[in-house]
Amino acid sequence: NAGVTQTPKFQVLKTGQSMTLQCAQDMNHEYMSWYRQDPGMGLRLIHYSVGAGITDQGEVPNGYNVSRSTTEDFPLRLLSAAPSQTSVYFCASSPAFRDHGYTFGSGTRLTVV
Amino acid sequence: TQLLEQSPQFLSIQEGENLTVYCNSSSVFSSLQWYRQEPGEGPVLLVTVVTGGEVKKLKRLTFQFGDARKDSSLHITAAQPGDTGLYLCAGFSGGGADGLTFGKGTHLIIQP
Repeated sequence: NAGVTQTPKFQVLKTGQSMTLQCAQDMNHEYMSWYRQDPGMGLRLIHYSVGAGITDQGEVPNGYNVSRSTTEDFPLRLLSAAPSQTSVYFCASSPAFRDHGYTFGSGTRLTVV
Repeated sequence: TQLLEQSPQFLSIQEGENLTVYCNSSSVFSSLQWYRQEPGEGPVLLVTVVTGGEVKKLKRLTFQFGDARKDSSLHITAAQPGDTGLYLCAGFSGGGADGLTFGKGTHLIIQP
């Protein structure tokens, strides 16, 4: 089925470890973004991309890196995991950066101990 | 500062009742969207409203965009247990190419 695929579904990291959350979409969407969802905080934008080779920071970018080498893939890298990065991470894509609905992946639940 | 305020935060009602949830802001939005999220899943788009005063219906759900494009409401008629979930409003504000700004959501429980 067409959509946004996120892997892994669950992950436990130790403080200081690094990892990459994978996100792939097969809808040829130009816009992709990463959000984190925390209780009482809602969904907050981490990084976004308006097309291959173009990325920019969102509201809470510290501690995360992204790259967009292809239209399909938009991985999120945690450089040195911290307990404050314990969260549920969602990748989303859209045909364009404004005024279009987003298609979300099913999320990655990350725990940093 | 929360750009989009949703109310109520929590709502638990009986099957068959009607309800309205609200999404308010002091900012003007070019469009507002409503999503529903179920546990363990990502949000799923329900509707996008673009024009001030616009009303859209999706079966028993009625969405309205305020005339000034600063607020929106979701009304559910004859709620069913399948309507249970987290309802999120989201919008684009300003002129930048960033992303959707989300409200914190309304947790809705429909009891049989």
